[in-house]
Amino acid sequence: DAKTTQPPSMDCAEGRAANLPCNHSTISGNEYVYWYRQIHSQGPQYIIHGLKNNETNEMASLIITEDRKSSTLILPHATLRDTAVYYCIVRVSSNYQLIWGAGTKLIIKP
Amino acid sequence: KAGVTQTPRYLIKTRGQQVTLSCSPISGHRSVSWYQQTPGQGLQFLFEYFSETQRNKGNFPGRFSGRQFSNSRSEMNVSTLELGDSALYLCASSITGGIADTQYFGPGTRLTVL
Repeated sequence: DAKTTQPPSMDCAEGRAANLPCNHSTISGNEYVYWYRQIHSQGPQYIIHGLKNNETNEMASLIITEDRKSSTLILPHATLRDTAVYYCIVRVSSNYQLIWGAGTKLIIKP
Repeated sequence: KAGVTQTPRYLIKTRGQQVTLSCSPISGHRSVSWYQQTPGQGLQFLFEYFSETQRNKGNFPGRFSGRQFSNSRSEMNVSTLELGDSALYLCASSITGGIADTQYFGPGTRLTVL
């Protein structure tokens, strides 16, 4: 079973920051949080991952709480092309595989 | 670098047939994982290969099998197809498959079983 909980859907205005929350209260100390997104049933696209420190790359920022029980993905300036299903995944330490939940459907509105 | 490629992109089969899907990983990547995506079950892990050996396996029946070649290319096979096998099959590659090693996905193969 997925170790993460995400809201099923969210809206965001174009040009604004999109903040996608994720709860992972049972995460273990050596397990990473990964974010992917999927557009129109294409292959999932990697966004970012982190262990305990905040991370930033050209696509997004990942903010992980100090207790590691939740995180937030931030898309700083959302565009219409950011409309997708966003998956927050805890990569389990038993076999390093990605256990997927239902994700958040993010709709960017003009 | 070229991304992960999967062939064919679309496939239509009938019940009882078998099918083979192919995945070419990113150059230098030695770990290949396969996933099945259906509307009802979402994305589910099938198996992972590393250096021609199956290293991890998900909870799927034995009709689902795979292999990896010395150049890291991988194939998965589904025998005795059932209607419920209709899905998007995704392949992902990474350098070693380690916990901090990012998996990159291909575009998928859309299998329809009639």
